[in-house]
Amino acid sequence: LAKTTQPISMDSYEGQEVNITCSHNNIATNDYITWYQQFPSQGPRFIIQGYKTKVTNEVASLFIPADRKSSTLSLPRVSLSDTAVYYCLVGASGGSYIPTFGRGTSLIVHP
Amino acid sequence: DSGVTQTPKHLITATGQRVTLRCSPRSGDLSVYWYQQSLDQGLQFLIQYYNGEERAKGNILERFSAQQFPDLHSELNLSSLELGDSALYFCASSVRAGDTEAFFGQGTRLTVV
Repeated sequence: LAKTTQPISMDSYEGQEVNITCSHNNIATNDYITWYQQFPSQGPRFIIQGYKTKVTNEVASLFIPADRKSSTLSLPRVSLSDTAVYYCLVGASGGSYIPTFGRGTSLIVHP
Repeated sequence: DSGVTQTPKHLITATGQRVTLRCSPRSGDLSVYWYQQSLDQGLQFLIQYYNGEERAKGNILERFSAQQFPDLHSELNLSSLELGDSALYFCASSVRAGDTEAFFGQGTRLTVV
């Protein structure tokens, strides 16, 4: 299982773009990168997943360089409601994969 | 709404007691996961079931057990409760075992007094 490293916390202000980087140096060929968001006292919510280059959806963008040893979750123009913990997970779909969460990055958005 | 339903939302019980937490997965999902989240331990994987069979075990205590029924709902049984078992317990489901996308319920907050 590829180990991930991400900042423990980040602060931002409303309207700014936030980029959260996750390092996964030993990512395997078949591994995907998945990001979850968790609000206080709620279950984590899948927000985006990618394999390489760039993926964008209505919530966020995910940038993955060619070597895939890191990835960056980009949240455009954050609001107070984006205050949450963001988790980066790495793994390949298949029988033995279990979503395993580290400590994540606690993002606080200030007015 | 993820489609995963957990009951009850809150539970307060005394040390030494036994409780059962219930989870109904999303329609069509065969795999169910249980997680425990406490302030000091983060989100810890406990156990996974797939189509009624235990699939994987994580950091689950011997005092805890789970099962998945033929209708695919799952129950997590916690016995001989200790103060340290106070936590949020989440259930998640996915279509297949090993899917990289799982859908989480709103959790059950257990308080042991």
